[in-house]
Amino acid sequence: QVQVVESGGGVVQPGRSLRLSCAASGFTFNNYAIHWVRQAPGKGLEWVSFISDDGSNKYYADSVKGRFTVSRDNSKNTVYLQMNSLSVEDTAVFYCAKAGSYMGALDYWGQGTLVTVSS
Amino acid sequence: AIQMTQSPSSLSASVGDRVTITCRASQFIRKDLGWYQHKPGKPPKLLIYAASSLQSGVPSRFSGGGSGTNFTLTISSLQPEDFATYYCLQDHIYPNTFGQGTKLEIK
Repeated sequence: QVQVVESGGGVVQPGRSLRLSCAASGFTFNNYAIHWVRQAPGKGLEWVSFISDDGSNKYYADSVKGRFTVSRDNSKNTVYLQMNSLSVEDTAVFYCAKAGSYMGALDYWGQGTLVTVSS
Repeated sequence: AIQMTQSPSSLSASVGDRVTITCRASQFIRKDLGWYQHKPGKPPKLLIYAASSLQSGVPSRFSGGGSGTNFTLTISSLQPEDFATYYCLQDHIYPNTFGQGTKLEIK
């Protein structure tokens, strides 16, 4: 069955970096794009980033552009989200989600990983 | 970035009711819109993609409509498990953007 599992969350000080991973299984990984979405405490969902199936196309929300970098290793069925210059406003549960055959449809989601930015 | 405005922000309804949630885009997005259901402590769930296509496994009481800038999500007969927060997401152009959410509560 299709699974996506996030890891790498934790507590980090403002200004520091963290790398999240999204490990996938149960489908042909290099045929599908991956999205990252986050939810800050008490807030709604915020779309964060997209990476295409071959990694050639990457997009970011304005709030993270220049600080976050998405990448993927198709040999490891894993997508990464490198987060630099973290601020308290980045505190959130981060989800990765597989895109469907219709690329805009996020059809399988992980359980999320919590990132807490605090001094 | 395209702004997505959902209404209402919250809604109280009873089991068996028919409810409609709307989402308006700040610019034309064809039919490039999905609807998601989100319950606390769980990941979001895709309900509708391409404005009106029902995701596999989603009950037929959920339906989506609209195109251009105005979209709807309708639940024809609310069930107890439908009480959740609902979000629209435009995928017409990057950055993709969510609406602010509609919290559906039991009356």
